[in-house]
Amino acid sequence: NAGVTQTPKFQVLKTGQSMTLQCAQDMNHNSMYWYRQDPGMGLRLIYYSASEGTTDKGEVPNGYNVSRLNKREFSLRLESAAPSQTSVYFCASSGGLSYEQYFGPGTRLTVT
Amino acid sequence: TQLLEQSPQFLSIQEGENLTVYCNSSSVFSSLQWYRQEPGEGPVLLVTVVTGGEVKKLKRLTFQFGDARKDSSLHITAAQPGDTGLYLCAGAEAAGNKLTFGGGTRVLVKP
Repeated sequence: NAGVTQTPKFQVLKTGQSMTLQCAQDMNHNSMYWYRQDPGMGLRLIYYSASEGTTDKGEVPNGYNVSRLNKREFSLRLESAAPSQTSVYFCASSGGLSYEQYFGPGTRLTVT
Repeated sequence: TQLLEQSPQFLSIQEGENLTVYCNSSSVFSSLQWYRQEPGEGPVLLVTVVTGGEVKKLKRLTFQFGDARKDSSLHITAAQPGDTGLYLCAGAEAAGNKLTFGGGTRVLVKP
């Protein structure tokens, strides 16, 4: 089982460029999440999707858009990257009543 | 917004010593989870506690959920270098399916 996969693992962007981070899960989970992790700040929720066809804002949604393409895939798009978006991005999925989440390996993004 | 505060932020100990990490909130959570994260990887779930006062043991790790379901602790007995990592607590809201994460405690166990 691959669990949660993310691509790419690393990315460097110039200010103003756009890119899409891809996430896929093979656990048949209904819910998927995008987080960012900055030094000393734990994990902050960007967007989440409780089920296929729905998306909701999290704590820090500004500058991001998401698409729940199907039950397996949940993508995160940066339309115009800014240096403040330099971070490590994690995708997670959840399918149980206790909301236990399973994380991908992360994408390390640097915006110069 | 529900907040979770972890303490301490950083802990450095010698192999064989014990340590405790705390996770506190003024809000009530329906369940609380502990994750461990190693450098360059995503967090991995260690345990979920659901009932107030619940104690769970995972080998040398003991997790406790406060009676009021507002706080939790993680105790490691006889720590080993393999316990080194970032420990994160996360609380689940009563409604909805989001988690609120604490800021994390970085643990370093020196041989």
